[in-house]
Amino acid sequence: QKEVEQNSGPLSVPEGAIASLNCTYSDRGSQSFFWYRQYSGKSPELIMFIYSNGDKEDGRFTAQLNKASQYVSLLIRDSQPSDSATYLCAVNSPLYSNASKIIFGSGTRLSIQP
Amino acid sequence: GAGVSQSPSNKVTEKGKDVELRCDPISGHTALYWYRQRLGQGLEFLIYFQGNSAPDKSGLPSDRFSAERTGESVSTLTIQRTQQEDSAVYLCASSLGGGRPSYNEQFFGPGTRLTVL
Repeated sequence: QKEVEQNSGPLSVPEGAIASLNCTYSDRGSQSFFWYRQYSGKSPELIMFIYSNGDKEDGRFTAQLNKASQYVSLLIRDSQPSDSATYLCAVNSPLYSNASKIIFGSGTRLSIQP
Repeated sequence: GAGVSQSPSNKVTEKGKDVELRCDPISGHTALYWYRQRLGQGLEFLIYFQGNSAPDKSGLPSDRFSAERTGESVSTLTIQRTQQEDSAVYLCASSLGGGRPSYNEQFFGPGTRLTVL
């Protein structure tokens, strides 16, 4: 069973600090890694994707991928109360040629304290 | 359309009735997923369609649940003889599908909130 694991939280971070969210996955063949944000009562929305080892920065968000250790993380700098949400890690699991299945973690609830 | 659409947005039904939920994916997206999300819980995978391949039904919780997809377009999720534990938001997502990493990005619909009385 291919799995994606996240700490469910809640993770409480003071406003202005760095929030660090982590995710591990089991399928070594995975190539696509996504972070989704889900506000209460809303659908998940994509905020970051990363396909190569290393860091990828977009504004206050940085995604980090380490395929050797099979983990992907999301850093949120200068955390704002509006960042309070559940963050879902998603990873592709290759099935057969040109097809993958996306596996979601259970999500980490982040709370930014003013 | 510009995004994934789902209908109805809300559905209230009585225990024992059948319900049908609809998902219209983004045009050209070959992959389509259905998820269930109970209040305060994570996404629960139900079923995955990829092109004309046999669907992955491994997430369907019981034989009361079934789903169909016509080619690479509309999908319907049917729940027969609904139970109160079926109350949840049912989310549909689609992606381009295929071999490139970027083709795996999922776009979610707004969901259907199902309440079984």
